[in-house]
Amino acid sequence: EIVLTQSPGTLSLSPGERAPLSCRASPSVSTRYLAWYQQKPGQAPRLLIYGASNRATGIPDRFSGSGSGADFTLTISRLEPEDFAVYYCQLYTTSGITFGQGTRLEIK
Amino acid sequence: QVQLQQEGTGLLKPSETLSLTCGVNGVSLSGNYWTWIRQPPGKGLEWIGEINPSGSTNYNPSLKSRVTISVDTSKNQFSLRLSSVTAADTAVYFCARLVRSDCANGVCYQNIYFYYMDVWGKGTTVTVSS
Repeated sequence: EIVLTQSPGTLSLSPGERAPLSCRASPSVSTRYLAWYQQKPGQAPRLLIYGASNRATGIPDRFSGSGSGADFTLTISRLEPEDFAVYYCQLYTTSGITFGQGTRLEIK
Repeated sequence: QVQLQQEGTGLLKPSETLSLTCGVNGVSLSGNYWTWIRQPPGKGLEWIGEINPSGSTNYNPSLKSRVTISVDTSKNQFSLRLSSVTAADTAVYFCARLVRSDCANGVCYQNIYFYYMDVWGKGTTVTVSS
């Protein structure tokens, strides 16, 4: 069973700052199966990144994904007010889909 | 533009069967993977299961004995049934398209596939209470 661990659980930052969100996989996984989503209260998740580093259609370039193997990072280069939300990493395998527990990005 | 329209019962009693449908607009049901995800109140996302273009299913082992996902191509919709519900099944249930693609940002690869959920329904709140 693959486990995705996201850190930190909550990240408090101000608009304009840079936000690094971590997702650690155990055991290591292929980059092409790793995706990131943003979820705002009362809404469905929104795809941001797939294949660890590919931005989905319509996603601003302040969002970027990186990493490989066991360590992946979603970086928001300059936070906008609408970026404060919960972020999930997600992995696909032939056994099924696994989500990290989420990182809450809140306004400081 | 692909859109998913969720329908189904929001209030159930323990031991009843949850039944939800997800209508697909803008794309054919066949040729795509479809999945169900749920989110208990205040908690994270939990994968329930998926169905592929050939009709084969894959379920979360923790729910496998109670779950059925099926497609109805005549109505262009797919469905979720979860039997013998308890309070632990109280959650928002989402349907989503699971993309299997050999291309990323305009570059296509041989024998390499990306998997991700690009279109989601708005979610249906299901409460199980006696």
